[in-house]
Amino acid sequence: GQNIDQPTEMTATEGAIVQINCTYQTSGFNGLFWYQQHAGEAPTFLSYNVLDGLEEKGRFSSFLSRSKGYSYLLLKELQMKDSASYLCAVRDRTNQAGTALIFGKGTTLSVSS
Amino acid sequence: NAGVTQTPKFRILKIGQSMTLQCTQDMNHNYMYWYRQDPGMGLKLIYYSVGAGITDKGEVPNGYNVSRSTTEDFPLRLELAAPSQTSVYFCASRTPHPDRESNQPQHFGDGTRLSIL
Repeated sequence: GQNIDQPTEMTATEGAIVQINCTYQTSGFNGLFWYQQHAGEAPTFLSYNVLDGLEEKGRFSSFLSRSKGYSYLLLKELQMKDSASYLCAVRDRTNQAGTALIFGKGTTLSVSS
Repeated sequence: NAGVTQTPKFRILKIGQSMTLQCTQDMNHNYMYWYRQDPGMGLKLIYYSVGAGITDKGEVPNGYNVSRSTTEDFPLRLELAAPSQTSVYFCASRTPHPDRESNQPQHFGDGTRLSIL
């Protein structure tokens, strides 16, 4: 089967660093995506990992370990506008022609001053 | 470039009514998807399409129908609305790539918030 787990909520303060973890179980792993979703808005793409290692994009980085079924999203120099839900999603080549994404329930991050 | 456009943004339906949620994209994307998002839950795939004339069921298709007569449009139809269909509906699209291991992300519309009373 397919299963994606991530913490429900996290809190942090402005300027800090936060790591949001995601573990997954899939039959045919074919890439992992992180999306950001502000309340009442559409998800927007943040990062993509298909090979092991770290992908860095400005203040955001994403890490993948395929052998452990594990990823994390690292947010540095937190800003108030980073308060949002962060969705971990996995593409599985054995599911829906390998094109659709399986989403976790999302982690709601609250950044305070 | 408008991207993915969904209409309406909000709608209240009575039990048993029917309606069509519209989705159109201007990026010439072949792949299109319909998801629903319930509070505290992840997005669940309802239906998807890999091109005009081709549709297939996702994880939660019961109570819904779709059609794909053009590349641009992918409407979602609710025939007999039920309270369990109260949700936020997102349409998404992405460009295909010959290599499935592609970093092409899905682009989402702003969503339709549907309440069934």
